[in-house]
Amino acid sequence: EPEVTQTPSHQVTQMGQEVILRCVPISNHLYFYWYRQILGQKVEFLVSFYNNEISEKSEIFDDQFSVERPDGSNFTLKIRSTKLEDSAMYFCASSSGTSGLEEQFFGPGTRLTVL
Amino acid sequence: DQQVKQNSPSLSVQEGRISILNCDYTNSMFDYFLWYKKYPAEGPTFLISISSIKDKNEDGRFTVFLNKSAKHLSLHIVPSQPGDSAVYFCAASAPGTSYGKLTFGQGTILTVHP
Repeated sequence: EPEVTQTPSHQVTQMGQEVILRCVPISNHLYFYWYRQILGQKVEFLVSFYNNEISEKSEIFDDQFSVERPDGSNFTLKIRSTKLEDSAMYFCASSSGTSGLEEQFFGPGTRLTVL
Repeated sequence: DQQVKQNSPSLSVQEGRISILNCDYTNSMFDYFLWYKKYPAEGPTFLISISSIKDKNEDGRFTVFLNKSAKHLSLHIVPSQPGDSAVYFCAASAPGTSYGKLTFGQGTILTVHP
């Protein structure tokens, strides 16, 4: 069964450093998302991406964040200068997106720890 | 942001009995609702969904009920099995206005005892 994959599973970084989180969505999906879950809190939407551009972003997704689909398979989230409060689980998701009423399939997540 | 609320942090059920997980929402623009299950160290796994034109959707042991007037939905699992023990998240989206963005509840920890 096709699945969303994410690497690395755990990333530890120093405050102020740049990190890139990587995702490989399901191959025939058209819509891609990033969510995050801070420990003990809700899963929060960060950004959606379609047709090589951002379709929506949340207030959390400020200038420190960027997304890219550098090739036909990868989808990346970059945080330019990490802060302590960026420590969270980051989930990538994808959907086929043909009608707007499709479930999103989530990857296993990357645990980001900012020291 | 309390647009989707799951007021019960946890639920404990005996194997074979029914589990009922509840979710309330406030945003009347939501018209598509989903339930996800999450195990520790894994991403959310899609369980079942319902669009606002329906009031019930069933898939095997899982049934979701939607009461639009009360802005309430529930997930019924019957019979419950120990393998169902996980965190259950309710999520909602408004495809017409916010394509694909899911708003999640806080989650309910379900424990099914053998």
